[in-house]
Amino acid sequence: DVKVTQSSRYLVKRTGEKVFLECVQDMDHENMFWYRQDPGLGLRLIYFSYDVKMKEKGDIPEGYSVSREKKERFSLILESASTNQTSMYLCASSPRGALFWAEAFFGQGTRLTVV
Amino acid sequence: RKEVEQDPGPFNVPEGATVAFNCTYSNSASQSFFWYRQDCRKEPKLLMSVYSSGNEDGRFTAQLNRASQYISLLIRDSKLSDSATYLCVVSGGMEYGNKLVFGAGTILRVKS
Repeated sequence: DVKVTQSSRYLVKRTGEKVFLECVQDMDHENMFWYRQDPGLGLRLIYFSYDVKMKEKGDIPEGYSVSREKKERFSLILESASTNQTSMYLCASSPRGALFWAEAFFGQGTRLTVV
Repeated sequence: RKEVEQDPGPFNVPEGATVAFNCTYSNSASQSFFWYRQDCRKEPKLLMSVYSSGNEDGRFTAQLNRASQYISLLIRDSKLSDSATYLCVVSGGMEYGNKLVFGAGTILRVKS
């Protein structure tokens, strides 16, 4: 059973803090993704990675960075948290093999509140 | 224009009803299509992939119309447990980095 684990379910941070969201997957997947989900907007892709030390910007990368030093771990960093980054953050992974039909597996999400 | 558009609903239906959701996508180069289901306060999970010829999985039928860039999901004999948000998902395949683009979701509420 694929497992994607996010380090926290709920986080409250202050404006200006540097925030780290961690994600670990145990299925040796090559692809990993970070999304944020907001009411009425659906899931929006922040960054993704196809391999260790590789990263690509998604649709809304501003204010975020990522790190993938090991295959199983993909970290999202908020350099200086702002209130408009209050959201649900979802990490996902998928295998590279069957690219066109690759199912994405999601972590349970981190609800981040920036005050 | 959003890349993937869905009617947000909510669709309120009685148990046993048949309900259909529609979704349109803007990228004609899209290669893969999916329906995901998301329960309240839970992560999205794959419900079914959508194949060009259409496909069925029990009470669920998915259809794809590439010419109109349109995807549908039909649920027959609705159950209370079908209540969830249904997300239409499109992927551009390798050329577009295999990104999954999500619609905002359609809320379904099945009532007894």
